[in-house]
Amino acid sequence: DGGITQSPKYLFRKEGQNVTLSCEQNLNHDAMYWYRQDPGQGLRLIYYSQIVNDFQKGDIAEGYSVSREKKESFPLTVTSAQKNPTAFYLCASSIRGRNNEQFFGPGTRLTVL
Amino acid sequence: GESVGLHLPTLSVQEGDNSIINCAYSNSASDYFIWYKQESGKGPQFIIDIRSNMDKRQGQRVTVLLNKTVKHLSLQIAATQPGDSAVYFCAEIPTGQGAQKLVFGQGTRLTINP
Repeated sequence: DGGITQSPKYLFRKEGQNVTLSCEQNLNHDAMYWYRQDPGQGLRLIYYSQIVNDFQKGDIAEGYSVSREKKESFPLTVTSAQKNPTAFYLCASSIRGRNNEQFFGPGTRLTVL
Repeated sequence: GESVGLHLPTLSVQEGDNSIINCAYSNSASDYFIWYKQESGKGPQFIIDIRSNMDKRQGQRVTVLLNKTVKHLSLQIAATQPGDSAVYFCAEIPTGQGAQKLVFGQGTRLTINP
């Protein structure tokens, strides 16, 4: 059963701590993406990766970091430098060159206390 | 469930009626326009897309219309059902950026009344 998974669904952290959000896909997609969603707004792109060992900043990359060591995995680290980290984080993947059809994971709700 | 948008534009329709969700876009040079559906607490799901050189595209119970003259995109859902209740986002892929990213609109919350 192919799909994209994110864990955990809810995450709580203290201010000043780094936290890593997991994203795994078994769709054999080359491209993966991280988005942030805030209430009343659409999704905003944080980082994306078109291929293993390569990634690019999106529109709001400050305070975030990623790695793409494996095709199946694209973890996102929310660092203490991110000024307003509380949000709903969504990971997506697509066939490379077909990012018009992205498949999204269920999301992780991060709350920084 | 997740609070996708507390102050989103909303549309309420009777079950069985047709729904029309509208979206205005700003970038006249986009390759693709896409509609996503997001149910509470879940990630968005791809519904349908349309290339910029088309005016209309039909899927199962859905039709997307693109009016490039007024930069307007619409999603028509026929015979809406309770399962259609969700937030609907339009998105576009701007040309000239290597088709690398989607730009999402704010979203519209669709509510189906029994």
